Amino acid sequence: DVKVTQSSRYLVKRTGEKVFLECVQDMDHENMFWYRQDPGLGLRLIYFSYDVKMKEKGDIPEGYSVSREKKERFSLILESASTNQTSMYLCASSSAGAIYGYTFGSGTRLTVV
Amino acid sequence: KNQVEQSPQSLIILEGKNCTLQCNYTVSPFSNLRWYKQDTGRGPVSLTIMTFSENTKSNGRYTATLDADTKQSSLHITASQLSDSASYICVVPSSNDYKLSFGAGTTVTVRA
Repeated sequence: DVKVTQSSRYLVKRTGEKVFLECVQDMDHENMFWYRQDPGLGLRLIYFSYDVKMKEKGDIPEGYSVSREKKERFSLILESASTNQTSMYLCASSSAGAIYGYTFGSGTRLTVV
Repeated sequence: KNQVEQSPQSLIILEGKNCTLQCNYTVSPFSNLRWYKQDTGRGPVSLTIMTFSENTKSNGRYTATLDADTKQSSLHITASQLSDSASYICVVPSSNDYKLSFGAGTTVTVRA
């Protein structure tokens, strides 16, 4: 069974802290994505990566950065966490050119206090 | 701008009853439409994927319909169960980029 694993289900961080959210997929997918999900707003794309060391901004990249040093791992970094970054973060992956096979992780609920 | 609109925003139904969720989209070019189920605190899980040529597709008690001419889709839940309580999200990828357009979701609550 294919899997996208996010390292933490729940995370509480303080304002100003540097936060790392990790995502690992075991499907050898080329594409990986980070979304945040807020009530009433649906899922919004933060960043995506279509290859190792490659990244592109999504719709709401401000305050975030990403790292993809290995194909299976895609990290989301909050350089200086703020309370408005309290949200559910979802990682997803898909194979190149086959957007049908789009698999989500279980999500990380981040609270910034 | 590609958009996906879902209705209703939420609904409550009694166990055993049926319900229908709606999705209207303006995504172009169109390649497929997906319905996801998201349990509270979990990631979305795919229910159905419908391509341009498919009108109806079932997955157990879930039946999705697609009208590509009117750009509308529906998800019908038959004989609802308590475990159907979740958010249902309509997703439409654009065929020429990596991005997906998401609806805001319909929250379904099934009561005993």
